[in-house]
Amino acid sequence: QVQLVESGGGLVKPGGSLRLSCVASGFTFRDYYMSWIRQAPGKGLEWVSHISNDGSTIYYADSVKGRFTVSRDNDKNSLHLQMDSLTADDTAVYFCARVHDWGQGALVTVSS
Amino acid sequence: EIVLTQSPATLSVSPGERATLSCRASQGISNNLAWYQQKPGQAPRLLIYSASTRATDFPARFTGSMSGTEFTLAISSLQSEDFAVYYCQQYYHWPLTFGGGTKVEIK
Repeated sequence: QVQLVESGGGLVKPGGSLRLSCVASGFTFRDYYMSWIRQAPGKGLEWVSHISNDGSTIYYADSVKGRFTVSRDNDKNSLHLQMDSLTADDTAVYFCARVHDWGQGALVTVSS
Repeated sequence: EIVLTQSPATLSVSPGERATLSCRASQGISNNLAWYQQKPGQAPRLLIYSASTRATDFPARFTGSMSGTEFTLAISSLQSEDFAVYYCQQYYHWPLTFGGGTKVEIK
C-alpha cells in the first residue's frame, strides 16, 4: 500500500526558509517521478514542482521558480522541498504526490 | 499552460438525486484527466483516472466520461458521504493543472 508522509511544516516569518520532507513506502520509490502540490487555505489546488525518478528532470511552477528547490534521495525513499524567500502567498498545505497518490499534507504558514 | 474550467462552482443536490459535474480543457488532452474528491481537512482522493476508470475505493455510482475536450463526472444517486469538493486534473502536459473545483452541497 502506497504511503506518503510529509513533515517539516510550521510557522515561518516572511523572507524565511523551510524544508519539507516526504518519506515514501509501499512502492519502489526510485521508479517514479514525484510532485509537490499545494493548497492555500480555502482555495484550490496548485502544482508546485516535479522531479523525475532519477532527479535529472525538474520543473517548477512560475510562482515558486528561483525560490524553491526540489530534490530526492532514492536510497532513503525521500523527497524534499527547500523553500526560501517565503511570502504570505506561500501559506498552504503542501502535498507530496506519486502520480495520483497523495500524502496527508504539511501545513506551512508564513506570517510575521 | 492547459486551463481546466469546472462548472458549476457549486451544485446543490438532494440525497438520492443525480449530480453532473463538468470540466472543460482549453486544448486536447486525450484521456489524461483525473477526478479527485476532497472532504474538509482531508487530502484529495483519486476518484477517476484516464477520464473514465474508477479508482477501486469508489462505488459504481461514480462515472467519468469524455467528449473531445469536455469531461463529465456523474454521481447517479447522491449519498451523504458524497457531499464534498471535486477537482479535475490534467496530466497530459506540464505543468499539471487543476480545475477550480465544484462543491457538491446538500440542498
